[in-house]
Amino acid sequence: SQTIHQWPATLVQPVGSPLSLECTVEGTSNPNLYWYRQAAGRGLQLLFYSVGIGQISSEVPQNLSASRPQDRQFILSSKKLLLSDSGFYLCAWSPIGRNNQPQHFGDGTRLSIL
Amino acid sequence: AQKVTQAQTEISVVEKEDVTLDCVYETRDTTYYLFWYKQPPSGELVFLIRRNSFDEQNEISGRYSWNFQKSTSSFNFTITASQVVDSAVYFCALTSGGGADGLTFGKGTHLIIQP
Repeated sequence: SQTIHQWPATLVQPVGSPLSLECTVEGTSNPNLYWYRQAAGRGLQLLFYSVGIGQISSEVPQNLSASRPQDRQFILSSKKLLLSDSGFYLCAWSPIGRNNQPQHFGDGTRLSIL
Repeated sequence: AQKVTQAQTEISVVEKEDVTLDCVYETRDTTYYLFWYKQPPSGELVFLIRRNSFDEQNEISGRYSWNFQKSTSSFNFTITASQVVDSAVYFCALTSGGGADGLTFGKGTHLIIQP
């Protein structure tokens, strides 16, 4: 069966520091991968999605970037965090090329910027 | 552009009551897919159901049922005989039929089931 892992679960970072959140999927090949952010009391906003290694689509211009160095690895990064980057970050995967399949989410990372 | 509206920010009911969560969507695509997810206090998103735009049959799964009506662009979710464990934030989401685009989520409805 497929599993998705996200880490760390919780992160507290000072303003201006870098960020690296990692997500890996097991049990499937060539998945679509996604990063979402959930601000406090709000819905989920799609940040990035990827249909293959090195292929990244950005939905919202911001202080973040994403990379997919391996087939089942998706990384969310920032060079300098802002206070507004605080939130709950969720990684998700779905089977390749099939938009009608549900996305399956990791447990999320709670990021607090001080 | 796609949009999902969950007008109910928070609903509070007493256990065993029935409750309906509303979802209204907007899309110009003729092929699209609708989803409901549950987010318990622990934070993870749990997939509940998927419905495609060509299938307007209602669905029932235990205490859960879904009413999809294209005429009103709605995809409502009903919990019958609610239980405390149903307390969570519920999200309705939409995606188009092509490619691998991400989901467009509503802002969620916080459901509180009081014992």
